[in-house]
Amino acid sequence: ELKVEQNPLFLSMQEGKNYTIYCNYSTTSDRLYWYRQDPGKSLESLFVLLSNGAVKQEGRLMASLDTKARLSTLHITAAVHDLSATYFCAVDGYSGGGADGLTFGKGTHLIIQP
Amino acid sequence: GAGVSQSPSNKVTEKGKDVELRCDPISGHTALYWYRQSLGQGLEFLIYFQGNSAPDKSGLPSDRFSAERTGGSVSTLTIQRTQQEDSAVYLCASSLGGGRRNTIYFGEGSWLTVV
Repeated sequence: ELKVEQNPLFLSMQEGKNYTIYCNYSTTSDRLYWYRQDPGKSLESLFVLLSNGAVKQEGRLMASLDTKARLSTLHITAAVHDLSATYFCAVDGYSGGGADGLTFGKGTHLIIQP
Repeated sequence: GAGVSQSPSNKVTEKGKDVELRCDPISGHTALYWYRQSLGQGLEFLIYFQGNSAPDKSGLPSDRFSAERTGGSVSTLTIQRTQQEDSAVYLCASSLGGGRRNTIYFGEGSWLTVV
């Protein structure tokens, strides 16, 4: 069964600090996705990581993928309040065995305090 | 503008009633997904359509759930004899193709409450 685990699930941090969210998954996959969700809103695609060693950056967010370790990280640099949201990672293949859906982690609820 | 459009945005229904949720994918997107998001279960894959191929229904939780996609575009998710545990946000998503190298875009969701 495919499992996707994120940690931490809750994170409160101050503006200006750096932090990393971790996403571990239990199956071989070279495709990993990061999404952002604001309260009451839908999912916004942040990054699509398609190969081992992939690194993508957008503003203060940087995502990387290590397929050998089955680990992706989302690094936040010099956090600002606007980045407060819930962040999800997702991997190809859903837990029932089919490969057409994404299996999501439980999400990391991030609060950035001024 | 055209993002993924879902309707209704909110639906309150009585237990035992049937509900239909509609999804308009982004124009030109051949792949369409339904997901369910609830507090207890997080985000769950339900069903996947790719072009004219037979859908992957393997995520549907019971035979009360069904989905159609007409003309390769609009999709309807139907829940028969709703139960309280069906209360959740039902998210539709679409992508340019089924190759999974494409970004998957989500709609705003249909918030279903079964009372």
